[in-house]
Amino acid sequence: DAKTTQPPSMDCAEGRAANLPCNHSTISGNEYVYWYRQIHSQGPQYIIHGLKNNETNEMASLIITEDRKSSTLILPHATLRDTAVYYCIGKPYSSASKIIFGSGTRLSIRP
Amino acid sequence: GAGVSQTPSNKVTEKGKYVELRCDPISGHTALYWYRQSLGQGPEFLIYFQGTGAADDSGLPNDRFFAVRPEGSVSTLKIQRTERGDSAVYLCASSPGTSGRADTQYFGPGTRLTVL
Repeated sequence: DAKTTQPPSMDCAEGRAANLPCNHSTISGNEYVYWYRQIHSQGPQYIIHGLKNNETNEMASLIITEDRKSSTLILPHATLRDTAVYYCIGKPYSSASKIIFGSGTRLSIRP
Repeated sequence: GAGVSQTPSNKVTEKGKYVELRCDPISGHTALYWYRQSLGQGPEFLIYFQGTGAADDSGLPNDRFFAVRPEGSVSTLKIQRTERGDSAVYLCASSPGTSGRADTQYFGPGTRLTVL
């Protein structure tokens, strides 16, 4: 699985867009980029995934660079409830397999 | 629909005792995963099942840890002769496990195990 690198912490003002970067320069062609988040005392929550095209759902947008070596998760209008640890993960396509979690980015939303 | 559920939510035991942790996956999900998370760290993979069989148990730390999924649905993680270092949150996840599609895992709330 690809090793990912994320900043240990970030903060963002409530109502603004939160942009969380992830470097995955060793990602292989058959690996998706997944994002999960973990709110305090809860299990990880799936946010979004993508292979090479940008993706958007009701929670967030995922922008993947053309060379697939990095990506950015965008929370368009951050709220206090978005305070969590965000994990960027490289995971093989089309197979049930383990997730290797790194340390993630601790995102704090300030009022 | 119902998500992944885990019981108990909290378990306190004494060193040397045996414990069982239960996971009920999302109905119809063929893949089931166990992870554990120590304070301040990301979840660490333990084992995963595809149906009834353990497809990857490379994360089990030693032979005191064992997991079963006899009917391909509910799973039980069993820990023998518990040690204080086993204290952690044990997370279960399930996924559709469908070949040819991206495999998204859905996590339960976890069981917090404390070994005194």
